[in-house]
Amino acid sequence: GNSVTQMEGPVTLSEEAFLTINCTYTATGYPSLFWYVQYPGEGLQLLLKATKADDKGSNKGFEATYRKETTSFHLEKGSVQVSDSAVYFCALSKRGSYIPTFGRGTSLIVHP
Amino acid sequence: DTAVSQTPKYLVTQMGNDKSIKCEQNLGHDTMYWYKQDSKKFLKIMFSYNNKELIINETVPNRFSPKSPDKAHLNLHINSLELGDSAVYFCASSQSVSGGDYGYTFGSGTRLTVV
Repeated sequence: GNSVTQMEGPVTLSEEAFLTINCTYTATGYPSLFWYVQYPGEGLQLLLKATKADDKGSNKGFEATYRKETTSFHLEKGSVQVSDSAVYFCALSKRGSYIPTFGRGTSLIVHP
Repeated sequence: DTAVSQTPKYLVTQMGNDKSIKCEQNLGHDTMYWYKQDSKKFLKIMFSYNNKELIINETVPNRFSPKSPDKAHLNLHINSLELGDSAVYFCASSQSVSGGDYGYTFGSGTRLTVV
């Protein structure tokens, strides 16, 4: 079946540091890949997505590239802010599969 | 206009009680979901409806019963509440049954505390 594996957190960084959160997936064919962000006390919000190999999704300074050869979709940001502190979820969806597939979430804590 | 709205936001109740959580989406999506998020932030899919038809019914106690009166509404009724039911419950919707290329839109959650 489909699965998503994320690095365990928490990831703790100082403001303006470089961020990478690793995500790898298992799925046949060509799933669509997503990153969601959950701020404290809120629901998940779609952060960015990529629907085919080599696509780069980007939003709010975050980027992720769909790498078919390594089955990865790592989230990056060049300079994090305190306001980026949240839990980040990697996810995939695939036509024909009714079950949404989410990773376990990675908590990011950014200190001033 | 809130895209996916759920009520109540907080629910504190005693063991053994019966409670309901309501969800409505105004996005015109065909598919709606209930998720349970535990204290470690793990998301577990519980149910999904597509155009009022149940399509996902994961392994959850039969004390949990979803109901979809129309494709814009999905409610969750829980009987005989137990301490272990304490969690945050999220409603979500998507354009199609597999999420498609647009992903999912989530509500802001209902924090259920059973005492």
